[in-house]
Amino acid sequence: AQSVTQPDIHITVSEGASLELRCNYSYGATPYLFWYVQSPGQGLQLLLKYFSGDTLVQGIKGFEAEFKRSQSSFNLRKPSVHWSDAAEYFCAVAPREYGNKLVFGAGTILRVKS
Amino acid sequence: KAGVTQTPRYLIKTRGQQVTLSCSPISGHRSVSWYQQTPGQGLQFLFEYFSETQRNKGNFPGRFSGRQFSNSRSEMNVSTLELGDSALYLCASRPTGGNYNEQFFGPGTRLTVL
Repeated sequence: AQSVTQPDIHITVSEGASLELRCNYSYGATPYLFWYVQSPGQGLQLLLKYFSGDTLVQGIKGFEAEFKRSQSSFNLRKPSVHWSDAAEYFCAVAPREYGNKLVFGAGTILRVKS
Repeated sequence: KAGVTQTPRYLIKTRGQQVTLSCSPISGHRSVSWYQQTPGQGLQFLFEYFSETQRNKGNFPGRFSGRQFSNSRSEMNVSTLELGDSALYLCASRPTGGNYNEQFFGPGTRLTVL
């Protein structure tokens, strides 16, 4: 069965510092890969997605993610974190044969200290 | 374009009751998916509707059902509510065509079962 692991439940970074959120997936073939962000009381907003091609993908709000097939990973990065980035981040996968059924990781709560 | 709207935003019910949640997708989107979000189980796929037909279903008991209308609006129903059904229910819509299209999430309906 597909699964997504986000090993860090909470991460705290200082404003202006760099950020990396980890995501590993387990699936027979390379699925579609996504990162979503959720602010308190809000729905999910897509930050970026990987379907194929260049393994470094750029997203909104200055985020990027790198797909590494050999490690089954899709880590999210940002070079300089802003206080407004404090939120919960979810990695998700969807099988290529049926892309609608998203399987989510448990989420990582990002705290930004000033 | 208006985003995905969900009504009501908050709901309080008691055990044994039933509840109906509504989702209006983005104009032109014909696919609607539902997800349940709880602190213990995280985000889980419930089902997806396309052109009034259920196309995929997650691992939830038969108490959870849904439907889609000809205008693509969707409802989900939970009968015989249990305490464990307390959750944020998210609806997502997507355009159709192509290998995969981004899912756009609504703000969710917060259901509390007492």
